Amino acid sequence: SQQGEEDPQALSIQEGENATMNCSYKTSINNLQWYRQNSGRGLVHLILIRSNEREKHSGRLRVTLDTSKKSSSLLITASRAADTASYFCATPLLTQGGSEKLVFGKGMKLTVNP
Amino acid sequence: KAGVTQTPRYLIKTRGQQVTLSCSPISGHRSVSWYQQTPGQGLQFLFEYFSETQRNKGNFPGRFSGRQFSNSRSEMNVSTLELGDSALYLCASSQTTRGRGGYEQYFGPGTRLTVT
Repeated sequence: SQQGEEDPQALSIQEGENATMNCSYKTSINNLQWYRQNSGRGLVHLILIRSNEREKHSGRLRVTLDTSKKSSSLLITASRAADTASYFCATPLLTQGGSEKLVFGKGMKLTVNP
Repeated sequence: KAGVTQTPRYLIKTRGQQVTLSCSPISGHRSVSWYQQTPGQGLQFLFEYFSETQRNKGNFPGRFSGRQFSNSRSEMNVSTLELGDSALYLCASSQTTRGRGGYEQYFGPGTRLTVT
């Protein structure tokens, strides 16, 4: 079942602009992660934010989490052509036995034009 | 540390054949998860292995199977291939998936499988 959904599904911006992506999810979570995927490659972990955190920074990335609205946003500031990729939010689903599996959204394609 | 490696990177098979994909996790990682990625369905969880035991399984038919060896390397097998099995197959490793603190997954580059 789809847990997280990114919005918008695609975004095209100019280099230097900021890009904001949103993720909404359905059930209560204890953490949320963002990943990036360059075309046809594996995913790269960007940031993990826990449910007791409201905001987290990593370089040009800023992630917020609003558990009351069941939503998260990823902001990339001063975008570069190299940021062109698909971005996914991932939320944990607790399974029988106490382990978690990650459920990914369908992703958002960001194009940064030079 | 070396990253997650997957072999082969590209594969072309015909319908009805079977295929085995391999994944070597990061040294020290005991959990290996497999995902199927297609344009229509996105990233779908296949299964997870931890210490040679399948711990979680997604909603895929029995044609999809896997195993993990004592050195944590994992293989997945798809028997009786169908056209719809064409996809990018990704494996990811992590130290653990237990506990609720969240864990980062490290992905391999994937195996692109084309079924004709």
